Amino acid sequence: SQQGEEDPQALSIQEGENATMNCSYKTSINNLQWYRQNSGRGLVHLILIRSNEREKHSGRLRVTLDTSKKSSSLLITASRAADTASYFCATDSVINQAGTALIFGKGTTLSVSS
Amino acid sequence: DGGITQSPKYLFRKEGQNVTLSCEQNLNHDAMYWYRQDPGQGLRLIYYSQIVNDFQNGDIAEGYSVSREKKESFPLTVTSAQKNPTAFYLCASSRGQGGVVRAKNIQYFGAGTRLSVL
Repeated sequence: SQQGEEDPQALSIQEGENATMNCSYKTSINNLQWYRQNSGRGLVHLILIRSNEREKHSGRLRVTLDTSKKSSSLLITASRAADTASYFCATDSVINQAGTALIFGKGTTLSVSS
Repeated sequence: DGGITQSPKYLFRKEGQNVTLSCEQNLNHDAMYWYRQDPGQGLRLIYYSQIVNDFQNGDIAEGYSVSREKKESFPLTVTSAQKNPTAFYLCASSRGQGGVVRAKNIQYFGAGTRLSVL
C-alpha cells in the first residue's frame, strides 16, 4: 500500500527557477520525510518534518506540512542541473502492529536544464 | 550510499532458480529493510527486520525470503516462486525503534541491485 502520492509526476524547469513538488498522504503520521534518488542509485535522505512542525528549512530546501490537509510540499530554490533527480516523500506507518516502517510515494521526477 | 553495501550491482536469474542479494551495513543499525522498485514506481516494502533473528513481512513478501543472523547482514533470496522478479532492489537500514528513536527512522540506502530474468 502506498501512503504518499506526489504531484506532479514530472517537472521540467530551467536552472535558477524554483521547483515545488507536493505530497498527499492518507493516515495520521508521526513524521514525514523527503528523499532524493539519482537515476539508478539508492535514495538519500533530505529532510524530516515532525507532525507538530509546520515548516522546516535546510539549505535551499523548504518543507511545509499541513496535517489538517494531510499534505506536504518540498520547495527547492534556485535550482541547479545537479538537482535533477526523483524526489519521494515517505511517511511512517505501523505495519503488523510490530514496528514502524516507511511508506513511499511514487515520486516526482525533476529535470533541471541549463 | 553511506555504510550500506549491496552486491552484486547486476544479477541475472534463470527460470526456476533461486538467487540471493547481499546487503551489509557498518552503521551499527538495528533495523534493516528490503524494497522493490519497478520503473516509474515508488518503493514497495518486501521485508524488514528490527533486530537480529527477527523479521516481518512487508507488503509484497510472497516469493521472497530473508534471514537476519547477524546485525550487519540482511540477505534477500528471490525464490523461483516469484514469477516477476525483474526490478531494482534496494536495501536500507535505520537506527531502530524504541523511545524517541521511533520518531526518527531516517533510512540509509545502498546503491541497489538490478535483477533481470534470462
